[in-house]
Amino acid sequence: GENVEQHPSTLSVQEGDSAVIKCTYSDSASNYFPWYKQELGKRPQLIIDIRSNVGEKKDQRIAVTLNKTAKHFSLHITETQPEDSAVYFCLGDTGGFKTIFGAGTRLFVKA
Amino acid sequence: NAGVTQTPKFQVLKTGQSMTLQCAQDMNHEYMSWYRQDPGMGLRLIHYSVGAGITDQGEVPNGYNVSRSTTEDFPLRLLSAAPSQTSVYFCASSPYGGFSSGNTIYFGEGSWLTVV
Repeated sequence: GENVEQHPSTLSVQEGDSAVIKCTYSDSASNYFPWYKQELGKRPQLIIDIRSNVGEKKDQRIAVTLNKTAKHFSLHITETQPEDSAVYFCLGDTGGFKTIFGAGTRLFVKA
Repeated sequence: NAGVTQTPKFQVLKTGQSMTLQCAQDMNHEYMSWYRQDPGMGLRLIHYSVGAGITDQGEVPNGYNVSRSTTEDFPLRLLSAAPSQTSVYFCASSPYGGFSSGNTIYFGEGSWLTVV
């Protein structure tokens, strides 16, 4: 079955710097790669996603890139702001109905 | 639309007690699921359902039961609460085809459960 590994587990950056979080997946048949953000005490929410036929997708300060050969996809946040502080999760595409979340990355943005 | 609604938001149980976490969605989603999130941890799938009358186990199903008699409702039952079940529980739903079809997963606000 699909397995996802997410790194790093914790990331601390200075406000205005960039942050990159990476997820590695095992199933080469995977075709959908989303990222969810969970603020403290809140529910996870989708922030960006990408399909396997696209290499990169941007939405203002966030972007997701996909490297199918190496089987990893990454979340990029530029010009980080304090409100970006949260836990970010990737999801693995199991090809079925079971959702496999990455372990999560806790991002701290220091003002 | 209210989206995904969970009740109760907070609950304290004694070891051995049983209870039901309620979950309802008004988006006519076929796929519903329950996750638990322990402090500082990720989301682990407990049970899921791909439609009324159909349920299946996730990663951590032991100690929990579910049923899906209607499209809207997906309650989670704790049979005999244990301290290890202290966690935050999230209910979620997604349109037909579930996650792998590229559908967004919509989460409820969470239920904070403490077992003493």
